[in-house]
Amino acid sequence: DGGITQSPKYLFRKEGQNVTLSCEQNLNHDAMYWYRQDPGQGLRLIYYSQIVNDFQKGDIAEGYSVSREKKESFPLTVTSAQKNPTAFYLCASSIEDRGSQPQHFGDGTRLSIL
Amino acid sequence: QQPVQSPQAVILREGEDAVINCSSSKALYSVHWYRQKHGEAPVFLMILLKGGEQKGHDKISASFNEKKQQSSLYLTASQLSYSGTYFCGTEIIDEKLTFGTGTRLTIIP
Repeated sequence: DGGITQSPKYLFRKEGQNVTLSCEQNLNHDAMYWYRQDPGQGLRLIYYSQIVNDFQKGDIAEGYSVSREKKESFPLTVTSAQKNPTAFYLCASSIEDRGSQPQHFGDGTRLSIL
Repeated sequence: QQPVQSPQAVILREGEDAVINCSSSKALYSVHWYRQKHGEAPVFLMILLKGGEQKGHDKISASFNEKKQQSSLYLTASQLSYSGTYFCGTEIIDEKLTFGTGTRLTIIP
């Protein structure tokens, strides 16, 4: 079955540590996205990629970094510069980066600070 | 520009109907609707496009009023499985999809 796989499901970060969240899709989608979800705030866009080897900042990119070296993979690194990283992180993909196309989401990674 | 959803929460008995609204202060190109159960991934329900085209779930209906810059999601004869938080996402020309804060729907037997 095609879909999006996020790992790990739960992640804990120590002060000053960088952590990387994995996102893999086998849907052959060109566009991929990272969202952060906090209680009562909906989904906020961190980074997005329209095509391999290209990505752009979203609304809340500070303290995060991404790469898109392969079409199927879009890992997110939460750096030590992100002072409030505790949140639910969702990865999504779509056939192309257009509003006429639905986004398909992974099951998320819940990140907490130790 | 984040869309505004209303109501923020609603409780229904099984079999009752619900309407969830999503409004924007700017002209919309598309409106997306997703449902998320607690701790799970949002699931795509429907896309409504400027011009009237719709894509999505055949058991859920929605409207898109371009003039009023708003969309409504209609849930009829609600089932227990309809429980969850419903998000609308709106796309404005030259801006990325932006999600509302959600409407929490609880269905009780």
